[in-house]
Amino acid sequence: GGIITQTPKFLIGQEGQKLTLKCQQNFNHDTMYWYRQDSGKGLRLIYYSITENDLQKGDLSEGYDASREKKSSFSLTVTSAQKNEMAVFLCASSIVGDQDTQYFGPGTRLLVL
Amino acid sequence: AQSVTQPDARVTVSEGASLQLRCKYSYFGTPYLFWYVQYPRQGLQLLLKYYPGDPVVQGVNGFEAEFSKSNSSFHLRKASVHWSDWAVYFCAVSPDQGGRALIFGTGTTVSVSP
Repeated sequence: GGIITQTPKFLIGQEGQKLTLKCQQNFNHDTMYWYRQDSGKGLRLIYYSITENDLQKGDLSEGYDASREKKSSFSLTVTSAQKNEMAVFLCASSIVGDQDTQYFGPGTRLLVL
Repeated sequence: AQSVTQPDARVTVSEGASLQLRCKYSYFGTPYLFWYVQYPRQGLQLLLKYYPGDPVVQGVNGFEAEFSKSNSSFHLRKASVHWSDWAVYFCAVSPDQGGRALIFGTGTTVSVSP
């Protein structure tokens, strides 16, 4: 088996701040994803990456940057945190050929003061 | 556009009772459909998946789902709920039939009473 690790678990930021979230997976999966989970809105795709150095925008990419430095890691940056923003950011990974079976990390909980 | 609707935000069920969670999809053609579950303080896990074929799909922990093209639905069922089923359940559709990320519904929180 494998595991997805997300750091930090909790992130408190200030309005306008640039914040970076990190995700590591040891499944050796090719594809990785970042989703945002808001209460009552389900999961929305921010970015995904099919392989190292590849980036694909999701429906919610505005206000975010992403980086896939190597196969096992995928970072997400909130470019300018919005006041009173509160959400959970979920990282996931999957293998090529079975991208519907996604393995999720426990999430990073963001609160912007 | 493809979408998934879960009309019930929260469902409370007694332990041992049956459970049905509703999911309606909007998709041109025959969709690939999924149910994921999120247990407290954990990441989402795949419960079951439907690819075109038998409309009733079996999943883990006694869950099953039934695909209906005429009703555009993919409802999840369990005959007898256990306290450990307390979780948030998400229905999802694959927009490219396996080509890229999933489109998720808003989720249904299941609470189990003793």
